[in-house]
This record gives sequence, structure tokens and C-alpha cells, in this order.
Amino acid sequence: QVHLQQSGAGLVKPSETLSLTCTISGGSIRSDSWTWIRQPPGKGLEWIAYVYYSGSTDSNPSLQSRVTLSPDTSKNQFSLRLTSVTAADTAVYYCARRYCGDTSCNFDSWGQGTLVTVSS
Amino acid sequence: QSALTQPASVSGSPGQSITISCTGTSSDIGAYNYVSWYQQHPARAPKLIIYDVSHRPSGVSNRFSGSKSGNTAYLTISGLQAEDEADYHCSSYSNSITRYVFGSGTKVTVL
Repeated sequence: QVHLQQSGAGLVKPSETLSLTCTISGGSIRSDSWTWIRQPPGKGLEWIAYVYYSGSTDSNPSLQSRVTLSPDTSKNQFSLRLTSVTAADTAVYYCARRYCGDTSCNFDSWGQGTLVTVSS
Repeated sequence: QSALTQPASVSGSPGQSITISCTGTSSDIGAYNYVSWYQQHPARAPKLIIYDVSHRPSGVSNRFSGSKSGNTAYLTISGLQAEDEADYHCSSYSNSITRYVFGSGTKVTVL
């Protein structure tokens, strides 16, 4: 059973960089791919990006220019950096495993979520 | 503005069945059988309850079932129970530049 534990700052100033880390236990970062998804207050979910242990990534075009995902195989964790944040980036951020079966890929294990507020 | 359209709320009495719709386009729901549904209790992370339109992960109650017709997917909850009160989000793979799209979520209330 994969368990994901998130860490990182919950308050970020406008124009600065949001940084979050997700530590994997009960599984290896070398299996599957790993994702960040966010949920603005009172709104639906938004896919941000996913990354493989090799560093290969794919991201939402609406965020692509500001997003960096970094895997760390030595620590079995992966990180999200989102630059130049504004109030619109205020959301609960989740990490999740993107598990690919025979037919499709789905987000089947999730971290606990981190509320990130962008405010001065 | 979410890419997939869901009703804001659906309610039902214990024991009843309810159905939640999720409408997309020919680029996502209509193009693939890759619709998934997530259950989210307040202040909790989402939980995958349906994938590939109608498949349940191990451990998910068979009271949850999924289907699809054209550009619209459906989640049915049978024998509604108090513990089913939660938000439900649909998702689909998309051949647009955004790989994964979600709905805005539906709040299920058990009366």
C-alpha cells in the first residue's frame, strides 16, 4: 500500500515560488509516475503535471511555463516548484501516484493535501 | 471554469439510488473509455472509486457503478448510505493539450 506524505510551506508571498515535496513509502519512485493536482477553495480539481523517476515530465499547458517537477530517487520523493505565484494559485495541493494499468492511467493514491495561501 | 460539467448538488434518502452526470466533449469523454470518479469527504483527499468508465478498484463497494453514453458519463450510487455524503469528481483523459480534465464536483447529500 503506497503512502504519500506531503511537506512544504503553507504561505507564499505574491511573485515568489511555491515549493512542495512528496515522500513515497510502501513503494518506489521508479515504479509508475507521480503527479501534482490542486483544488482552489470551493472549486474542482486541476491537474498540474506528472513526472517519472527519470525526470521525464508532462504538464498542464496553462501552468507549464511556471512549473518544475523534480524526482529524487535517493530519497524516494518528488517535488513541485511553481514560480511567480499570484492569489489565483491559492489552493489545496495534492500529490498522487499515477498508476498505469493495462488500459489507462489513474490517480489511485493521494497525499494528505497542503493548503497553500498566496498572500503578502 | 472546469472542463467537465457536473450538477452542483444531488440528494437522496437512505436506501435510494442517485445518479450524477458528467458532460464533456468529443475530445475527452466521447473519445475514450478513460473516465474515472473520485469521492472526497470534507477536508480529506480524493479517493478513486471508478476507473475506465465502470471498473471499481479493489475494496470499493459494489453500490458504486459507472456508465457512459456519448459525451456524458454517469455515476450511480445504489442503496444510499449516510457515509456516501461527500463530493464526487469526474475526470477524463483528453486528446486536447490538457491531458487530464476534471469536473467541478457534485455534492451528494443524504436526507
